[in-house]
Amino acid sequence: ELKVEQNPLFLSMQEGKNYTIYCNYSTTSDRLYWYRQDPGKSLESLFVLLSNGAVKQEGRLMASLDTKARLSTLHITAAVHDLSATYFCAAATPGFFGNEKLTFGTGTRLTIIP
Amino acid sequence: DSGVTQTPKHLITATGQRVTLRCSPRSGDLSVYWYQQSLDQGLQFLIQYYNGEERAKGNILERFSAQQFPDLHSELNLSSLELGDSALYFCASSPRSGRSYNSPLHFGNGTRLTVT
Repeated sequence: ELKVEQNPLFLSMQEGKNYTIYCNYSTTSDRLYWYRQDPGKSLESLFVLLSNGAVKQEGRLMASLDTKARLSTLHITAAVHDLSATYFCAAATPGFFGNEKLTFGTGTRLTIIP
Repeated sequence: DSGVTQTPKHLITATGQRVTLRCSPRSGDLSVYWYQQSLDQGLQFLIQYYNGEERAKGNILERFSAQQFPDLHSELNLSSLELGDSALYFCASSPRSGRSYNSPLHFGNGTRLTVT
């Protein structure tokens, strides 16, 4: 059974600092997703990572995937208050056609302090 | 706006009752997914439908059932409700399976269910 772990669970950081959220998954997966959720809101897709060594960047966020280590990272550069949210990674169960059975991590609640 | 519509936004009901949650996928999306989000269990995959057929099943209780109709909207039925069923229920959709490999799921705004 695919398990996905994120750390840290909670992260408070000052504006302007850099930090990384880690996402480990237990078995082979061919797709890794990152989502953002604001309190009481829906999940917004950030990145889809499909292959080993994949790196994607959007603004101050950069995600990478190492399939050999079963590890994905979400790096935050020069954090700003607007990035405060909960970030989830999700891995797809291999062998299922399409997006079936995404297993989500526990989420990292990120708070940016002015 | 993801294009996925869920109704109602909030639902308050008593234990033992039955409720129906409704989801309309994005235009053109054939797959619909249901997820449950609670504080203790996190985001749990419940079930997936593709073009009216059940495609994958997750941690869905026997008291829960779902279906996808010919117009592609989906309903999640929750019966014999218990306090522990209180959660945020999300619907998500994705494009046709053949082109969905690298597409993210697009989530609706959720239905917050409170069982009292």
